[in-house]
Amino acid sequence: TAGITQAPTSQILAAGRSMTLRCTQDMRHNAMYWYRQDLGLGLRLIHYSNTAGTTGKGEVPDGYSVSRANTDDFPLTLASAVPSQTSVYFCASSEGSADEQFFGPGTRLTVL
Amino acid sequence: GQNIDQPTEMTATEGAIVQINCTYQTSGFNGLFWYQQHAGEAPTFLSYNVLDGLEEKGRFSSFLSRSKGYSYLLLKELQMKDSASYLCAAMDSNYQLIWGAGTKLIIKP
Repeated sequence: TAGITQAPTSQILAAGRSMTLRCTQDMRHNAMYWYRQDLGLGLRLIHYSNTAGTTGKGEVPDGYSVSRANTDDFPLTLASAVPSQTSVYFCASSEGSADEQFFGPGTRLTVL
Repeated sequence: GQNIDQPTEMTATEGAIVQINCTYQTSGFNGLFWYQQHAGEAPTFLSYNVLDGLEEKGRFSSFLSRSKGYSYLLLKELQMKDSASYLCAAMDSNYQLIWGAGTKLIIKP
């Protein structure tokens, strides 16, 4: 079973460019999440979706957007990247919003 | 505000026991999670506590005191492969996880 996949694995992006980070899960989980992880800080929630068709803002949503057109996919878009968005991005999913979360392998993004 | 505190780094010896502490302050509380994260990898789930007391799972145990806003992860019979970061996360009233910065555990032979 693949679980959760993310693409790309890593990316270098010029400031001002847009980019979509992809996330797909095959566990039929209802809830999905996007986090960023920066050195010395805990994981910070960017956006989440409790079920297909709904999304919500997390702790650090500015500069990011998401969509949840179906159960499996939860893409994260940076409309105009800035250097402060350099980070490791993790997608996660859980069966319900109160359940343990399963994480994808992460995308390492560098914005120059 | 919401806050999770855990030590930045700990060192222990192979075969020994180590306890990693975590204190939390959240708006509401719906449970305490521990995750393990090896360098360069994704976090993986270790344990969940929502009631006071100790939950044992093989070499790993997790304890919760809701009245004190305190949890610990106990690792026994340490192995070199246990070298990793251990993340504490509390679930708030909106069912969002508030994460600590993680405790890097270094195991020495």
